[in-house]
Amino acid sequence: DGGITQSPKYLFRKEGQNVTLSCEQNLNHDAMYWYRQDPGQGLRLIYYSQIVNDFQKGDIAEGYSVSREKKESFPLTVTSAQKNPTAFYLCASSYEGVADTQYFGPGTRLTVL
Amino acid sequence: QKEVEQDPGPLSVPEGAIVSLNCTYSNSAFQYFMWYRQYSRKGPELLMYTYSSGNKEDGRFTAQVDKSSKYISLFIRDSQPSDSATYLCAMSASPRGNTPLVFGKGTRLSVIA
Repeated sequence: DGGITQSPKYLFRKEGQNVTLSCEQNLNHDAMYWYRQDPGQGLRLIYYSQIVNDFQKGDIAEGYSVSREKKESFPLTVTSAQKNPTAFYLCASSYEGVADTQYFGPGTRLTVL
Repeated sequence: QKEVEQDPGPLSVPEGAIVSLNCTYSNSAFQYFMWYRQYSRKGPELLMYTYSSGNKEDGRFTAQVDKSSKYISLFIRDSQPSDSATYLCAMSASPRGNTPLVFGKGTRLSVIA
């Protein structure tokens, strides 16, 4: 099946720990994105990558880091510098050529204990 | 003023009702408009896409764009309990699919049987 997978579905973190969220796509999409979703806040862009080995900060990049070593993978690390990391994290991907093809993964719920 | 405004609801309607969901935007450069549906604790799924003023119909769903008023709508006819979800509008100024979309905060819809 083609699509976007995110793992784990639920993640618990102690304060002061870094955690990495996985995002993989087999759609041969060029661009990948990370969003954070909080109740009443909509989707907020953390980072995005248009090509391998390149990425740009979104609106709320502080306390997060990413890498794009492979076209199909775009992991997100939530560092201890992120003051309020409890949220629902969504990964998305899209083709370069067509504006409508941004597809989302199922999400990861991160909870800080 | 935020780039995209969307009433968060919640909106509660009886089964069979016609639902109207709306977004307004301030950036006249936006040319591409999407509607996503998001069920609770799931990733958003692309529902409708349009790039011109006027109406686009797909089954029970109609997307309407009025660029002169900077206003877009999604109509759901014969609403069903399975339509209960959060509906997000999204927009882009670029025809290229590798640029981030600008999202509204979403409207939560409940269709009561």
